Amino acid sequence: DIVMTQSPDSLAVSLGEWATINCKSSQSVLYSSNNKNYLAWYQQKPGQPPKLLIYWASTRESGVPDRFTGSGSGTDFTLTISSLQAEDVAVYYCQQYFNTPRTFGQGTKLEIK
Amino acid sequence: QVQLQQWGAGLLKPSQTVSLTCAVYGGSLSGSYWSWIRQPPGKGLEWIGEISHTGGTNFNPSLKSRVTISLDTSKNQFSLRLLFVTAADTAVYYCARRKAAAPFDHWGQGTLVTVSS
Repeated sequence: DIVMTQSPDSLAVSLGEWATINCKSSQSVLYSSNNKNYLAWYQQKPGQPPKLLIYWASTRESGVPDRFTGSGSGTDFTLTISSLQAEDVAVYYCQQYFNTPRTFGQGTKLEIK
Repeated sequence: QVQLQQWGAGLLKPSQTVSLTCAVYGGSLSGSYWSWIRQPPGKGLEWIGEISHTGGTNFNPSLKSRVTISLDTSKNQFSLRLLFVTAADTAVYYCARRKAAAPFDHWGQGTLVTVSS
């Protein structure tokens, strides 16, 4: 199984500031034949299912604000939230869809400082 | 717009079976892969398994011996059965959709399944 490890487990950021969440996979999720990273990011608010934010490591899902940016390749990835808004308080998960079983990071809880 | 609506029994005793169904609205089962994912209270997400629109299945090896996922194309639904549950199976269970080589883009609302004697 590909193990996904996120850091930090939690962070508190002031409104309007940047938040950075890291995700590391135990093996590369870059598929050489198409040069795509099979890595997604989700946002989960209390009592709700996860919501897809980013796929292919850096492509925003339709309707996701452009303050959410995904980057990275191979085994190291980052989700950056610029100009943090109150509605961004949530738990964020990375997930690999390179192979089966699909695996998720343990989650990063984002709060307002 | 695809919507997933799920239901099933929420309170089970040890050794009983989780039985959940997910109905797909606004789209067909064709061309997609239909998963079950669970989340223990206060914890992270665990993929249980999936069934393709053609009926092929894949399971998490950690649960494979206890899991069945089936498709009912006439009702546009798919179902999960998890056998011989214990307290460790207490979780919110989600159904979800993905396209080929893609992440989960549509999710059900979740069903809390509690296993307690």
